[in-house]
Amino acid sequence: SQKIEQNSEALNIQEGKTATLTCNYTNYSPAYLQWYRQDPGRGPVFLLLIRENEKEKRKERLKVTFDTTLKQSLFHITASQPADSATYLCALDHGQNFVFGPGTRLSVLP
Amino acid sequence: DAGITQSPRHKVTETGTPVTLRCHQTENHRYMYWYRQDPGHGLRLIHYSYGVKDTDKGEVSDGYSVSRSKTEDFLLTLESATSSQTSVYFCAISQGSRSSGNTIYFGEGSWLTVV
Repeated sequence: SQKIEQNSEALNIQEGKTATLTCNYTNYSPAYLQWYRQDPGRGPVFLLLIRENEKEKRKERLKVTFDTTLKQSLFHITASQPADSATYLCALDHGQNFVFGPGTRLSVLP
Repeated sequence: DAGITQSPRHKVTETGTPVTLRCHQTENHRYMYWYRQDPGHGLRLIHYSYGVKDTDKGEVSDGYSVSRSKTEDFLLTLESATSSQTSVYFCAISQGSRSSGNTIYFGEGSWLTVV
């Protein structure tokens, strides 16, 4: 069956450290993968997109990798700050639609 | 900001009553989506539209219908609301192309409670 999993429901890290979130998928063949941020009571907000032929993408303190052999994406936030605390969702394109992972709730502790 | 407005933002309704949620966009996007988000399930697609009067079912379409009579409006109707439809509903549009990659922009959500 088709599945998207994110490594943990919740992740706590200390301010200044690098947060690493994992997204694994099964039985999908995405052309690209995306990461979104969702704050409580708000809709998800697009952060980064990485295509199947790209190994790595960066945007400021964010870095995403995409390994189509392992069927995995890693999402890194370097020099994390309390303001980075949120739920992070990965998403795959699937035909005309998008399929989302369950999300990881990140807490950056001061 | 993709110019997406959802209404109502909050609603409490009784079991068995019909409910309509409205999504309005201002930027003429072709694709529009309705998702629901529940603890333990994440975001799940209910219905989507790829143009005026062109709609299709998503993963969890039972008990829901949609209509798109104008490009800017996408309506989600719960024909006879049940407690299992208590959820947060997000409207979304997609922007981009197959070659560059499409991204989704979400509205602020509609909180629906069925009692």
